[in-house]
Amino acid sequence: GAVVSQHPSWVICKSGTSVKIECRSLDFQATTMFWYRQFPKQSLMLMATSNEGSKATYEQGVEKDKFLINHASLTLSTLTVTSAHPEDSSFYICILDRGDGYTFGSGTRLTVV
Amino acid sequence: GENVEQHPSTLSVQEGDSAVIKCTYSDSASNYFPWYKQELGKGPQLIIDIRSNVGEKKDQRIAVTLNKTAKHFSLHITETQPEDSAVYFCAASIWEGGADGLTFGKGTHLIIQP
Repeated sequence: GAVVSQHPSWVICKSGTSVKIECRSLDFQATTMFWYRQFPKQSLMLMATSNEGSKATYEQGVEKDKFLINHASLTLSTLTVTSAHPEDSSFYICILDRGDGYTFGSGTRLTVV
Repeated sequence: GENVEQHPSTLSVQEGDSAVIKCTYSDSASNYFPWYKQELGKGPQLIIDIRSNVGEKKDQRIAVTLNKTAKHFSLHITETQPEDSAVYFCAASIWEGGADGLTFGKGTHLIIQP
């Protein structure tokens, strides 16, 4: 149980374009989903907390207009990186609250060229 | 907010020896402490976790200890093997009927020397 599907697993996009990352819980409902970012050789840093049916809460320094989060249902949250730039290249991962622990998505490696 | 310090940043041990990674946290309200292993090119995988109502937990060669008073917790790997080589992250969270997100340490690169 507690399976989370995150896709795409990797994506290469041109600078200025937008990329959508999807995180879906397959067998449980997640009221809260977290989006993290990991730059090479660094730790995972929380970007935003996403609650179903309400606006996401962004961490300081994370631009909400650049990183659009939609948590439309208890099983789906999306992160859209708008107008991506090379400095947005990173590993993005969703982490879901399943009620008795956390379940990680498999991550998305974004490369902006 | 919570702050998690992890050390060492790099740890090299001989195969078969033990490895210990230590973390401290700042928020005394934190009550959930997981450890993750991240291999190159992959996402973190949970290897063991402990909640604040216990002081130690063991799973085969891996154990975690928690000292709530001192606000530190440690990962112990015994009889290390080459496949233990990876980056390990500790994390802390407040768990009260709903998660508040994980705060991660900066990671420890564990190298097992053959």
